[in-house]
Amino acid sequence: EDQVTQSPEALRLQEGESSSLNCSYTVSGLRGLFWYRQDPGKGPEFLFTLYSAGEEKEKERLKATLTKKESFLHITAPKPEDSATYLCAVQVFTSGTYKYIFGTGTRLKVLA
Amino acid sequence: DADVTQTPRNRITKTGKRIMLECSQTKGHDRMYWYRQDPGLGLRLIYYSFDVKDINKGEISDGYSVSRQAQAKFSLSLESAIPNQTALYFCATSAGGRAFPDTQYFGPGTRLTVL
Repeated sequence: EDQVTQSPEALRLQEGESSSLNCSYTVSGLRGLFWYRQDPGKGPEFLFTLYSAGEEKEKERLKATLTKKESFLHITAPKPEDSATYLCAVQVFTSGTYKYIFGTGTRLKVLA
Repeated sequence: DADVTQTPRNRITKTGKRIMLECSQTKGHDRMYWYRQDPGLGLRLIYYSFDVKDINKGEISDGYSVSRQAQAKFSLSLESAIPNQTALYFCATSAGGRAFPDTQYFGPGTRLTVL
């Protein structure tokens, strides 16, 4: 069964304390992996799309990486405004169509 | 202006009422999706449409129906709302076609409460 698991469920960091969020996946026919940021009560905001193992993308304090089994979202020197839930999703090709599978997210709290 | 808009943003209704949630997009995307989000369960797909004439059920379509009025508009209806349909509802779009990977972009959401 296709599955996406994110860890940890929640993470508290001090401002400036770098860390990584994990997204592991067990799927067949991977067509892409996506990272989103979601603030409470708001829609997921697109961050990154990854496809090939070894691929890396950066945006400000965030860097996403991809291997054949997992992806990491590295947060360097986080600020309180980085506090949010970070969602990982994969696009797979199965049963003749594409579908998306979402993880349940990592809730990040950055303390000043 | 937002690329994907949803109306209403908040809605409180009573059990048994029919309600409609609307989604519009200016991204020019062919594909549109409806998801619901519940605490601890993540995003679950209700319906999706690859073009105006192609509508498909997602994993939790029971109790819901949709209409794709135009490339840019996709509506979700609850024919007879029940309390366990209380959730956050999101519309999303993706380019489809030759887009690979096909990134989804989400609207701001509708918070629906069924009393």
